[in-house]
Amino acid sequence: GDQVEQSPSALSLHEGTGSALRCNFTTTMRAVQWFRKNSRGSLINLFYLASGTKENGRLKSAFDSKERYSTLHIRDAQLEDSGTYFCAASYDSGYNKLTFGKGTVLLVSP
Amino acid sequence: GALVYQYPRRTICKSGTSMRMECQAVGFQATSVAWYRQSPQKTFELIALSTVNSAIKYEQNFTQEKFPISHPNLSFSSMTVLNAYLEDRGLYLCGARPQGAGQLYFGEGSKLTVL
Repeated sequence: GDQVEQSPSALSLHEGTGSALRCNFTTTMRAVQWFRKNSRGSLINLFYLASGTKENGRLKSAFDSKERYSTLHIRDAQLEDSGTYFCAASYDSGYNKLTFGKGTVLLVSP
Repeated sequence: GALVYQYPRRTICKSGTSMRMECQAVGFQATSVAWYRQSPQKTFELIALSTVNSAIKYEQNFTQEKFPISHPNLSFSSMTVLNAYLEDRGLYLCGARPQGAGQLYFGEGSKLTVL
């Protein structure tokens, strides 16, 4: 089965609201990255975590290696937050081999 | 922040022909470069990892004979898709890891369409 299970696959939010994305791992991961794919197709780096939590503006991410999950919280969603979000985790010591989730398509509407 | 530039953004080629794509780390030196493919079904596959002072490691189902990679310095890598066929379609992404950093930074990708 998939090593990285991302949910939900799709999410609709009204402006100003918030929600959370989650990735569960079937094995112990050393680090996780979260990306947003924009309209041009670029993978924009949101977070890199080897443990704990990080916050950047309206986004907050957490990673628990032992419990095998990571989350991405979005608050006060804006229209420009729309896009596809991916988590990707690495289990190798070099952190190079990322295993991606299948993505969450987020649509923020007025 | 770290930038990764990929070229070309998209290519359309006939079955059996080849396509070369380039990856440039802008403003930093990459200790490792990873090439991925995002298939039309949207899943990401790791093709190969190229790390400084190590041989290029190809994942299962990907070979040097089909996807030769050149990594001549810490800022540049190129990969060729030889004898491309329909199953090679997809978005090819280059990820580069700066020295001392944990995360990979990705370029915008090179989209391959095979007719």
